[in-house]
Amino acid sequence: DTAVSQTPKYLVTQMGNDKSIKCEQNLGHDTMYWYKQDSKKFLKIMFSYNNKELIINETVPNRFSPKSPDKAHLNLHINSLELGDSAVYFCASSQGRTAYEQYFGPGTRLTVT
Amino acid sequence: EDQVTQSPEALRLQEGESSSLNCSYTVSGLRGLFWYRQDPGKGPEFLFTLYSAGEEKEKERLKATLTKKESFLHITAPKPEDSATYLCAVQAPGGFKTIFGAGTRLFVKA
Repeated sequence: DTAVSQTPKYLVTQMGNDKSIKCEQNLGHDTMYWYKQDSKKFLKIMFSYNNKELIINETVPNRFSPKSPDKAHLNLHINSLELGDSAVYFCASSQGRTAYEQYFGPGTRLTVT
Repeated sequence: EDQVTQSPEALRLQEGESSSLNCSYTVSGLRGLFWYRQDPGKGPEFLFTLYSAGEEKEKERLKATLTKKESFLHITAPKPEDSATYLCAVQAPGGFKTIFGAGTRLFVKA
């Protein structure tokens, strides 16, 4: 059973396009996150939702828009993709707002050409 | 500014050669320090949470310790399957945000 799943695993697209990444968790957690891992392997928080409420919104271009239709799903939509958006995007989940033990998905490698 | 610094960036060991990874942090009011393991092409996997100075946790060949300014991940008699990137992270005040270090890439040669 996959705990946190993401689709797609790989995404190759051209500059200016709009794309979405989907995330689902079957752990019954109430908090979900989006992280970006750049080429230097730094993992940086982008957004977090608790019970569908946005609780973390880091300094991220407003071209990035998260959406949480329910506690088990958190999607990330990116408009007008730029070269600098190329990275691996990880979804994660945890129980409770306080970001303790987090379970990560396998990642989505986004390449913008 | 809250910050996590890990050293060394990379560590190469022979199988059975014990060593330690370091994580130093500057955060006002630490609420928790975490260690994760990340294999190539995969998401981080949770290992430990430490809450207060003096605390220690163990899992197989790994032992994590915490002081007021740093944490160590001790690896005893490592095996090739321990090769991975080990990430340290802290929970910022307020409790919602986790700040990750850049990681230490560990290579264990048979």
